[in-house]
Amino acid sequence: AQKVTQAQTEISVVEKEDVTLDCVYETRDTTYYLFWYKQPPSGELVFLIRRNSFDEQNEISGRYSWNFQKSTSSFNFTITASQVVDSAVYFCALRPPSSNTGKLIFGQGTTLQVKP
Amino acid sequence: DGGITQSPKYLFRKEGQNVTLSCEQNLNHDAMYWYRQDPGQGLRLIYYSQIVNDFQKGDIAEGYSVSREKKESFPLTVTSAQKNPTAFYLCASSILVGYNEQFFGPGTRLTVL
Repeated sequence: AQKVTQAQTEISVVEKEDVTLDCVYETRDTTYYLFWYKQPPSGELVFLIRRNSFDEQNEISGRYSWNFQKSTSSFNFTITASQVVDSAVYFCALRPPSSNTGKLIFGQGTTLQVKP
Repeated sequence: DGGITQSPKYLFRKEGQNVTLSCEQNLNHDAMYWYRQDPGQGLRLIYYSQIVNDFQKGDIAEGYSVSREKKESFPLTVTSAQKNPTAFYLCASSILVGYNEQFFGPGTRLTVL
């Protein structure tokens, strides 16, 4: 089965705190792609990162960092020194190549609220 | 600016009426997609199209129809056969159907009264 689980439904932090959003996935494919998207209150999904299953290097982009652990099937997302503008729903998604539709399998999302 | 536009932002319809949601992209992407989002849930694929004049059903295609007459346009019709059409609809595109990331439009919130 192909599945993405984001166990944290809602997280609330105070500005400048670090926060980690968890993502656990299930797939039988050896090659796959993982994504993170941000959905601000406006509704549009904003692409944040794509990761190939063969590349387990962690990635940092400004205040954002991603920790890919193939051994535990996790692809966690950390925001350092959170800001109010980070408040949004964050989705983790899986794209298995066995699905030739190009379909992304989304988790249920984690709502992050950053309070001033 | 390159991007995806969806119109209208909010749409209200009476039960039993068909309604068409617009999606246009100027990114020169070959692949386009329609997703449905319900409160507190992730996105589910309705239809996708790899090239002009071709489209395939996704996971929840019943009650929906699409067309792809032009590369930049992929309208979605919500028919009266859709049992629970009230939802947030998102259109996306990617360079190809494959590993490429998908880029999303701003969405249309459909409410059926």
